[in-house]
Amino acid sequence: AQSVSQHNHHVILSEAASLELGCNYSYGGTVNLFWYVQYPGQHLQLLLKYFSGDPLVKGIKGFEAEFIKSKFSFNLRKPSVQWSDTAEYFCAVNAAGGGNKLTFGTGTQLKVEL
Amino acid sequence: GAVVSQHPSRVICKSGTSVKIECRSLDFQATTMFWYRQFPKQSLMLMATSNEGSKATYEQGVEKDKFLINHASLTLSTLTVTSAHPEDSSFYICSASQDRSNQPQHFGDGTRLSIL
Repeated sequence: AQSVSQHNHHVILSEAASLELGCNYSYGGTVNLFWYVQYPGQHLQLLLKYFSGDPLVKGIKGFEAEFIKSKFSFNLRKPSVQWSDTAEYFCAVNAAGGGNKLTFGTGTQLKVEL
Repeated sequence: GAVVSQHPSRVICKSGTSVKIECRSLDFQATTMFWYRQFPKQSLMLMATSNEGSKATYEQGVEKDKFLINHASLTLSTLTVTSAHPEDSSFYICSASQDRSNQPQHFGDGTRLSIL
């Protein structure tokens, strides 16, 4: 079974700072990788996904993530955060070809201060 | 597009009551729906996968007689927590996807269940 580890539980940044949230997964086979965001009071929304091809994936709102297969990592990045990026971020994995079942990380609470 | 509606958003009821939560895909047909449970400050834990027209597949440790799942149409799945007890209090979230593989899940707003 796969597992997902998000190392940072809480991150506080000032506006315009750069962001990198770590995500590592444990699974021996081919995986699909996702980052979801949950803004306060809202449902989970897809930020970006990786299925195959270019390991650098660009998502909505200026976010990107890089799949490094050798490190089993899929870190989320944004060069310059905004106050409106304050939210909880979840990394998720599913085994390719194994249906759409997702395994989530524990989430990272990001707070961006003005 | 790809909106999932979950109802109710909050339920407070007495111990022993059965509670039904609905999950609807509003603008797409969902061949697969998922039910998650989220404890405070923890990740989403998959409870079960329901495919339209067939029995749900439950994750290990989830009691299928306790958490009844029905997916009778391509736009509706229901989760019924039977004879709920305080330990069933939690945040339940559904999601839906349009295909059986390689499609992102779209999430509902969740249901906060509180059993007194």
